[in-house]
Amino acid sequence: GAVVSQHPSRVICKSGTSVKIECRSLDFQATTMFWYRQFPKKSLMLMATSNEGSKATYEQGVEKDKFLINHASLTLSTLTVTSAHPEDSSFYICSAREASTGNEQFFGPGTRLTVL
Amino acid sequence: AQKITQTQPGMFVQEKEAVTLDCTYDTSDPSYGLFWYKQPSSGEMIFLIYQGSYDQQNATEGRYSLNFQKARKSANLVISASQLGDSAMYFCAMREGVGGSYIPTFGRGTSLIVHP
Repeated sequence: GAVVSQHPSRVICKSGTSVKIECRSLDFQATTMFWYRQFPKKSLMLMATSNEGSKATYEQGVEKDKFLINHASLTLSTLTVTSAHPEDSSFYICSAREASTGNEQFFGPGTRLTVL
Repeated sequence: AQKITQTQPGMFVQEKEAVTLDCTYDTSDPSYGLFWYKQPSSGEMIFLIYQGSYDQQNATEGRYSLNFQKARKSANLVISASQLGDSAMYFCAMREGVGGSYIPTFGRGTSLIVHP
């Protein structure tokens, strides 16, 4: 079945540095990728919707200059957390929507970011 | 093997009727949690209901109830009195272990369309 990978799975960085998280659809083309931030226990917050070849659509309250999203190809989207601070520590999850079916989504395993 | 299986890619229901969305899971961990999320066309993930593996009673939240059958490893979502606004993608997810990562494993989703 369709697989979405995220890299790295875990990252620890110092405050003020930038971190790039990759989301790849391994065996299908994803015209749309979503980036979520997982809060403890339950909720997933949608950060942005990324369409291949166009600018990402950010949700209200999400700083686009801080969370840079690039969707350069049908199999790769990247999220860069710029000038990370401890409050950015969280789990970041991507999902990819397959172009042919339109509805099914496949979720990545998530990236755990810890900012010291 | 998939940890979360949602066998219904699409479901249709008449307004005001009840609908059941299927979810089966696979784990050898005695402690786990099961979630259902609703994703409207906007992409946001809305938490609906949670069932812990040690919970004695089926979880209920308003019109949502979770039919938890532990021996069969199923956690079906029942929506009573469907409304037009219930049309969305629905994702079943599982988190394994106590105190582990809060990132759940998601199923592929079921698209629910409510007809007037």
